[in-house]
Amino acid sequence: GAGVSQTPSNKVTEKGKYVELRCDPISGHTALYWYRQSLGQGPEFLIYFQGTGAADDSGLPNDRFFAVRPEGSVSTLKIQRTERGDSAVYLCASSQGYGDYNEQFFGPGTRLTVL
Amino acid sequence: QKEVEQNSGPLSVPEGAIASLNCTYSDRGSQSFFWYRQYSGKSPELIMFIYSNGDKEDGRFTAQLNKASQYVSLLIRDSQPSDSATYLCAPKRGQTGANNLFFGTGTRLTVIP
Repeated sequence: GAGVSQTPSNKVTEKGKYVELRCDPISGHTALYWYRQSLGQGPEFLIYFQGTGAADDSGLPNDRFFAVRPEGSVSTLKIQRTERGDSAVYLCASSQGYGDYNEQFFGPGTRLTVL
Repeated sequence: QKEVEQNSGPLSVPEGAIASLNCTYSDRGSQSFFWYRQYSGKSPELIMFIYSNGDKEDGRFTAQLNKASQYVSLLIRDSQPSDSATYLCAPKRGQTGANNLFFGTGTRLTVIP
């Protein structure tokens, strides 16, 4: 079956602009995660959804970042007033359930560049 | 102390040798541990997971876990040039209600033909 998909694959924007990044998880996966990865670093957790609700948003760096998953499937990560420091690869992952014994599968990522 | 520590490498091994990748973690509550492989410019790909102390083998890969020592490792036998990648160690956070992975910076492995 299809894996996690993310769009766009690349996004270039100017400082101060608003961007939306989309994630379509593996069909039937109830848990969805957003991470971001800077060059030379491992992925850093941002937020995780169980169904439609954000179960843990402790990784969001500030209130410019927001994510939704209104129907429990597709999720959108929204970044307001983008800054150059937001430039990174934004990774989405999904898992069949939640808890210790569920593997997370990553999408291809969206490379965000803020000029 | 970092939450997850890995030798950043690069680790170079000749083709056919065993590559040994090590990881220590700080969260004593972590119960599950994942190894991801990441090729340059690509996203992480899950290759192994381990929950119980001891060894777990899957093909050429063996994961080893020692929760008392907060140590997890990955052995790759008969290393191939196609194994050249960055390997990310990722414990799942042990905090109640938390479900995220926390990653090390990865070990870059180069297998020399």
